Amino acid sequence: NAGVMQNPRHLVRRRGQEARLRCSPMKGHSHVYWYRQLPEEGLKFMVYLQKENIIDESGMPKERFSAEFPKEGPSILRIQQVVRGDSAAYFCASSRDSNSPLHFGNGTRLTVT
Amino acid sequence: AQKVTQAQTEISVVEKEDVTLDCVYETRDTTYYLFWYKQPPSGELVFLIRRNSFDEQNEISGRYSWNFQKSTSSFNFTITASQVVDSAVYFCALSEWNAGNMLTFGGGTRLMVKP
Repeated sequence: NAGVMQNPRHLVRRRGQEARLRCSPMKGHSHVYWYRQLPEEGLKFMVYLQKENIIDESGMPKERFSAEFPKEGPSILRIQQVVRGDSAAYFCASSRDSNSPLHFGNGTRLTVT
Repeated sequence: AQKVTQAQTEISVVEKEDVTLDCVYETRDTTYYLFWYKQPPSGELVFLIRRNSFDEQNEISGRYSWNFQKSTSSFNFTITASQVVDSAVYFCALSEWNAGNMLTFGGGTRLMVKP
C-alpha cells in the first residue's frame, strides 16, 4: 500500500522559471493538503483540495502560486516565475476525509538559483 | 488565531537520558486536535500522535509519552531512555475541530542524542 508519493524529490530552477510539484495521494484518499517548510522553520499550511475543488487556499501567496487536484491524475502545485525566496521544502499530505489522520509525503526540495 | 510555541529550539542529551519537549498552544476553540510529528535527518515527516481536546489522559507508547494539560494549554512529549535514532526535529501542531487537517505547526525542536 503505497504512501503519499511526491515528485520530484529535488528540483532546481533558475529565477523566473516555473516549478511544478506533483503529489499522488494514498489510495482511497480524496483530500490533499500542501504545506511549505522554509529553511529552519516549521511547516505552514498552504492549500486544501478535494477532487476538482479548492476547499481552502488561505495559506497560498496571492501571486504566482496555484494548485489543482484534477479528477484524474496527481495534485499539482505550480509556482510561476520563481524567486529565491521560494526555495523551501514543499510537503503534500492526504487523508481519507477531513478528520482522518494526515499522511505526509517525503517532500519536494525546491532550490531557486 | 491559533499559535503553537515550542520554546526549545535545540536540545542535546546523552544516550539513555530522558528528555521532555515542550509545546504550548493558543486557540479560541474549545474543541481541537493536537499532534506531534518527527522529522529525521532524511527529511520525511513521521506522524507520532493525535489527541483531541476532550481526552486529557496521558498516553504512553513504548519509550514515548505525552502529557496533555488543558489548564496550561500544554502538550509535552517525553522520550525515556533516549537513543541516537531519536535524533530529529520534532514538531507540535494544532488544528481546529472543524478545520480538520489544516494544521498550525510550531517552529520545531531539534533533538540531538549523543552516544
